[in-house]
Amino acid sequence: SQTIHQWPATLVQPVGSPLSLECTVEGTSNPNLYWYRQAAGRGLQLLFYSVGIGQISSEVPQNLSASRPQDRQFILSSKKLLLSDSGFYLCAWSWQGGREQYFGPGTRLTVT
Amino acid sequence: TQLLEQSPQFLSIQEGENLTVYCNSSSVFSSLQWYRQEPGEGPVLLVTVVTGGEVKKLKRLTFQFGDARKDSSLHITAAQPGDTGLYLCAGGAGNQFYFGTGTSLTVIP
Repeated sequence: SQTIHQWPATLVQPVGSPLSLECTVEGTSNPNLYWYRQAAGRGLQLLFYSVGIGQISSEVPQNLSASRPQDRQFILSSKKLLLSDSGFYLCAWSWQGGREQYFGPGTRLTVT
Repeated sequence: TQLLEQSPQFLSIQEGENLTVYCNSSSVFSSLQWYRQEPGEGPVLLVTVVTGGEVKKLKRLTFQFGDARKDSSLHITAAQPGDTGLYLCAGGAGNQFYFGTGTSLTVIP
């Protein structure tokens, strides 16, 4: 069976500090990987998706970047956090051409 | 941008009542998914519908995909407190998924 991990679960960072959130998937190979941000009680905003190692598509211009250094690893980064970067960050995976996504447990980021 | 609007945005009902949540778009999707999310957790997939007019049942939950594959509904019969959560629809298009605005459901015992 497949499992998706995210860490850390919660993070409090000052404005201007760097960020690195990590997501890994087990039990599958060559998955599509996704980063979303969610405002409280609302829908998900797609930030980045990747169909393969080194292939990143960005949906929203912003202060964030993503990388996929390994097949089942997806990293969300920032060089300098803004207050507006606070939120709930979700990583998800799907099979290539698959119709469903499977989500990790999320990271709650608070920028102070 | 392919937008999915959900209605209502908030819903608070008594245990045992029935309810329907709607997911509407002006775009056609190859598939549509429904998820339920608990506070502080990731969304969990409930169902995927693919064919226009398709109806799927999951215990007390009934999901329908519109004939034109632009909209969907979720009907819950005899709601229970365990149904409380945020319900999200998502439309699939190629490698991307577009999420609805969400419906927050509270079922009062």
